Amino acid sequence: KAGVTQTPRYLIKTRGQQVTLSCSPISGHRSVSWYQQTPGQGLQFLFEYFSETQRNKGNFPGRFSGRQFSNSRSEMNVSTLELGDSALYLCASSDPLGQVNSGANVLTFGAGSRLTVL
Amino acid sequence: DAKTTQPNSMESNEEEPVHLPCNHSTISGTDYIHWYRQLPSQGPEYVIHGLTSNVNNRMASLAIAEDRKSSTLILHRATLRDAAVYYCILRGYGNYGGSQGNLIFGKGTKLSVKP
Repeated sequence: KAGVTQTPRYLIKTRGQQVTLSCSPISGHRSVSWYQQTPGQGLQFLFEYFSETQRNKGNFPGRFSGRQFSNSRSEMNVSTLELGDSALYLCASSDPLGQVNSGANVLTFGAGSRLTVL
Repeated sequence: DAKTTQPNSMESNEEEPVHLPCNHSTISGTDYIHWYRQLPSQGPEYVIHGLTSNVNNRMASLAIAEDRKSSTLILHRATLRDAAVYYCILRGYGNYGGSQGNLIFGKGTKLSVKP
């Protein structure tokens, strides 16, 4: 079974530009989450998508957005890039459980997309 | 959300058992205890999870205290490949219909394994 695939793996942008990152979940997984990892803040939740709808959102500015397609693939976009957006962006997929059992839900992470903003 | 407390770092010798502790004194009755690890230059990897009873899988064992205020991840024979940052995370209900809730990562325990 193929894992979670994130593209591109590495990219360099300049301040003010925008970037789009892609995530293909494990086949059959319908829920996709995005996380940002920086040395200073660690791993922080960005947003979660299920059935093409954002279900949960972390505390990030509106420059960070995402979407999910009917095949469960997801993209995230960061507009007007700032130096502080340099980070490893991680996508995770899962097969959702009912709300009562959601605490048992297990995520499978991709290798991440490393963004450097100059 | 309930928080967890882990030591910043631990060292182990190769082929010896490793016990990684985690305190979660504010855990609620519906919170599952999850462990993930992150190897260098990779995304986090699921290790194990449990609710009340001890759990075993091919990677590790999870020992949960009777009052659930602490837990221990046990690697039975550490290998060099087990050198990673280990995160102990509490996971409860999702926020609303369809949401699985998000994982709240702390700083984790950096495990070093000596040959």
